[in-house]
Amino acid sequence: EAQVTQNPRYLITVTGKKLTVTCSQNMNHEYMSWYRQDPGLGLRQIYYSMNVEVTDKGDVPEGYKVSRKEKRNFPLILESPSPNQTSLYFCASSSALGELFFGEGSRLTVL
Amino acid sequence: GDSVTQMEGPVTLSEEAFLTINCTYTATGYPSLFWYVQYPGEGLQLLLKATKADDKGSNKGFEATYRKETTSFHLEKGSVQVSDSAVYFCALRYQGGKLIFGQGTELSVKP
Repeated sequence: EAQVTQNPRYLITVTGKKLTVTCSQNMNHEYMSWYRQDPGLGLRQIYYSMNVEVTDKGDVPEGYKVSRKEKRNFPLILESPSPNQTSLYFCASSSALGELFFGEGSRLTVL
Repeated sequence: GDSVTQMEGPVTLSEEAFLTINCTYTATGYPSLFWYVQYPGEGLQLLLKATKADDKGSNKGFEATYRKETTSFHLEKGSVQVSDSAVYFCALRYQGGKLIFGQGTELSVKP
């Protein structure tokens, strides 16, 4: 089954404690991206990757890092989380300009 | 810069009513346009898309036409059902991978 898998789905952490949200896709897609969803703001792109070792900033990259060492994985790293990064995060993948497939979301709370 | 603006919600309709959700965009190039739908507790799913001016996307009774002259991509459905209750997102995407979402419009359909 074609899918994008994110982990963890729910996480409560404290300010400054590094965390990683993993994202994996099984569709051999070149393109992967991360979004955060906040009430009234819709989805905002954090980072995207057109292929292995190629990443670019989206609209809200501050406080986040990504890496794309393998085609199937695109982890989101919060080196020093802060409360304003409390949000619902989505990973997505697609072929070049094809349909975006979204993961189920990761709800992060930073205390 | 590029942006997507949707009509504010929530939109509340009775079953079988006609639906329009307005979406306008500002773009420096020639993006593809999309409508995504998010059901409660789930990730986003592609509803329809249009890749060039005057294209019409359609799916599950929903339609939207890419209007370059009015920079619009309004979503319409002739007769909504309770099962259409969800949040709808308009988005634009360039070939380079950057993707911009509108803020989302919540639709509630009452029996």
